[in-house]
Amino acid sequence: DAGVIQSPRHEVTEMGQEVTLRCKPISGHNSLFWYRQTMMRGLELLIYFNNNVPIDDSGMPEDRFSAKMPNASFSTLKIQPSEPRDSAVYFCASSFFSNTGELFFGEGSRLTVL
Amino acid sequence: DAKTTQPPSMDCAEGRAANLPCNHSTISGNEYVYWYRQIHSQGPQYIIHGLKNNETNEMASLIITEDRKSSTLILPHATLRDTAVYYCIVSVFTSGTYKYIFGTGTRLKVLA
Repeated sequence: DAGVIQSPRHEVTEMGQEVTLRCKPISGHNSLFWYRQTMMRGLELLIYFNNNVPIDDSGMPEDRFSAKMPNASFSTLKIQPSEPRDSAVYFCASSFFSNTGELFFGEGSRLTVL
Repeated sequence: DAKTTQPPSMDCAEGRAANLPCNHSTISGNEYVYWYRQIHSQGPQYIIHGLKNNETNEMASLIITEDRKSSTLILPHATLRDTAVYYCIVSVFTSGTYKYIFGTGTRLKVLA
């Protein structure tokens, strides 16, 4: 079975450029989470959706960050304009409401902003 | 959201039991305790979770104190492949899903 699929796996861009990260959750899952991981700040929850609706975006650091989930099988995290301090690994995770509520993570997108 | 406190690092000899503690003194009655681990730079992986009772699965055991203010994850026979960062999380079901806030975790090193 396919897990959570993220793309691109690696992205190198220059400051000021727009960056779009993509995520395909596990089929049938109804919740999707975006996390950012850096050495300094650890694993931070940016935003999460339930049934394609954003529930809590209080972790989104600035207005330069935006996330959408147009349907149950696709989500994007966009940074515009990007800055060097946005360099991090961005993880997408999905879950299905059940007795466990277990989170399934993708392999991450490593972003480097020069 | 309840906060958790974990030691930053621990060592364990290969083949011995690894006991990873977690303090969650402000946990409320409907919050679950979850454990995840992250190996190298992979995405975190679910290990186990519980509410009140002790739990065991093929990976680990979870011991929750009676007052639910702390818990211990037990890896019964640690191997080198168990070297990872272990996260203890408390989570509540809200707005149709569980919300997971990761702390800094415990870096476990299993020694040969």
